[in-house]
Amino acid sequence: KNQVEQSPQSLIILEGKNCTLQCNYTVSPFSNLRWYKQDTGRGPVSLTIMTFSENTKSNGRYTATLDADTKQSSLHITASQLSDSASYICVVASGGSYIPTFGRGTSLIVHP
Amino acid sequence: DADVTQTPRNRITKTGKRIMLECSQTKGHDRMYWYRQDPGLGLRLIYYSFDVKDINKGEISDGYSVSRQAQAKFSLSLESAIPNQTALYFCATQDRGDEQFFGPGTRLTVL
Repeated sequence: KNQVEQSPQSLIILEGKNCTLQCNYTVSPFSNLRWYKQDTGRGPVSLTIMTFSENTKSNGRYTATLDADTKQSSLHITASQLSDSASYICVVASGGSYIPTFGRGTSLIVHP
Repeated sequence: DADVTQTPRNRITKTGKRIMLECSQTKGHDRMYWYRQDPGLGLRLIYYSFDVKDINKGEISDGYSVSRQAQAKFSLSLESAIPNQTALYFCATQDRGDEQFFGPGTRLTVL
């Protein structure tokens, strides 16, 4: 069964600090991995997409990494801002299937 | 204008009532999905549709039904609502690159 595990479940940091969120997956065959950001009361929005051949991709202060050998991904947030407070969801797509596998998300709270 | 819209945004209903949640999209995507989100459980797939004539059950379809009236419209029905169907419901479309585009959600409370 395809699974996506995220850690930590929740995280509290001070504004300006960096943080890293983790995602481990057992999805086969692997197609791509996306990180979504979900603000409170809103639908998730895609931040980044990682394909098999990509190791690192940045989107502003967000940097995603992928290790396809160990089936791990991370999302690093640099110089956090209050607006980064949200849930971050790791989603893995499987080749040949249009049903992605969702992680349960990491809830990030940034305090001033 | 929003690409994926959901109505209503909030709904309070009583046990046993029939309720319909509606989703419309202007993205032109064939693939549409209904999810529910509960605290600590993440997003779980209820139903999905790849075109008007192709509708499939997700992992938690019991107690729900759907209708794909057109490429742009995908409705979710609760035939007889029960309290454990209280949740946040999301409709989503998916493009050919597997990116999902979510609506703003419907917060449903069943008393």
